[in-house]
Amino acid sequence: TQLLEQSPQFLSIQEGENLTVYCNSSSVFSSLQWYRQEPGEGPVLLVTVVTGGEVKKLKRLTFQFGDARKDSSLHITAAQPGDTGLYLCAGRTSGTYKYIFGTGTRLKVLA
Amino acid sequence: ETGVTQTPRHLVMGMTNKKSLKCEQHLGHNAMYWYKQSAKKPLELMFVYSLEERVENNSVPSRFSPECPNSSHLFLHLHTLQPEDSALYLCASSQESTLAGGGAQYFGPGTRLTVL
Repeated sequence: TQLLEQSPQFLSIQEGENLTVYCNSSSVFSSLQWYRQEPGEGPVLLVTVVTGGEVKKLKRLTFQFGDARKDSSLHITAAQPGDTGLYLCAGRTSGTYKYIFGTGTRLKVLA
Repeated sequence: ETGVTQTPRHLVMGMTNKKSLKCEQHLGHNAMYWYKQSAKKPLELMFVYSLEERVENNSVPSRFSPECPNSSHLFLHLHTLQPEDSALYLCASSQESTLAGGGAQYFGPGTRLTVL
């Protein structure tokens, strides 16, 4: 069974701090997405990474795909209250339509 | 606004009721998905339709019945549900060109279902 473990599960930080969220698996993925979900809403796509070692930046968010395409990280610089939400990673295996979702990291940024 | 709409947003039903969830995507995508999101559990893929043909079915109980009449619409028909089926049901769509990768999913806002 493919699993994507995210850590930490919960994170509460002060505005302006930096943080990193990890997404780990023993499986190889052809692509991996990161989403943010707010209460009462569906997940919103932040980024897709497809190449081992790839780094993508989205303003204060930096995403990295592991060299072996089994893990990924999300780093937020100078977190703001608007970053609060549930962060989900999702991996997809080549040759299938199935996405495996991570266990989620619930982030709260205090003003 | 992600281009994927779901109705209703909230639904309360008894175990003997029959209801349907509706999803519509305005993105021109060719694949649509149903997910179940329960508290403290990862999103669970229920069904996948590609070009209106069901291509994934994750051993979902028969009390859930999907229907995809065209590439823009997806339904989830519900009957004789159990209280443990209470969850947020999410619809998503993606554009699939190959199975090698890409095809990021775009989600609707979900239907919050409560089964009494």
